Amino acid sequence: DAKTTQPPSMDCAEGRAANLPCNHSTISGNEYVYWYRQIHSQGPQYIIHGLKNNETNEMASLIITEDRKSSTLILPHATLRDTAVYYCIAPTGANNLFFGTGTRLTVIP
Amino acid sequence: DSGVTQTPKHLITATGQRVTLRCSPRSGDLSVYWYQQSLDQGLQFLIQYYNGEERAKGNILERFSAQQFPDLHSELNLSSLELGDSALYFCASSPQDRNTEAFFGQGTRLTVV
Repeated sequence: DAKTTQPPSMDCAEGRAANLPCNHSTISGNEYVYWYRQIHSQGPQYIIHGLKNNETNEMASLIITEDRKSSTLILPHATLRDTAVYYCIAPTGANNLFFGTGTRLTVIP
Repeated sequence: DSGVTQTPKHLITATGQRVTLRCSPRSGDLSVYWYQQSLDQGLQFLIQYYNGEERAKGNILERFSAQQFPDLHSELNLSSLELGDSALYFCASSPQDRNTEAFFGQGTRLTVV
């Protein structure tokens, strides 16, 4: 897997956009970027993934820089239920996802 | 609900014992993954199966083994259990073996006493 770097923690006010950055400077041309989150002790939840174009779904938006060395996950209107650990992953080859330490997002009322 | 079913949800057993954790993937998914998460630790990838065959292996101990059956369900066998094996064990499934999102079950909480 390409090495990914995320800040260990972030806070976001409820109702505001949460922007979670991820650096993946060693990513190769055919590696997707995946985002998952884990709410305390629950199974990780898939959020979104992309290759080089920006992606949006009902949960979030994913912005990938043109050089693909970094990306940002955007939760447009954070709620208290979005408090979780967010993981950015760039798997190589087989889809064995290696989770790092992620970013602990705390949404504050 | 992710569509991935893990049983049992909780398991308490003694050191030295053997247990089997079961995972039913989402309908149509061919790939199954197993992860271990110890208290306040990250998710450690153990092993991946695709359509019955082992596809990738991570930090899986020799005391642990897994298999995927023809109906695509998977079992993780943990033997000679130690206190340090107490953890959440998650199973995930995906349609293919690469470049697709994975969906996780709610886990089996194993406590070794």
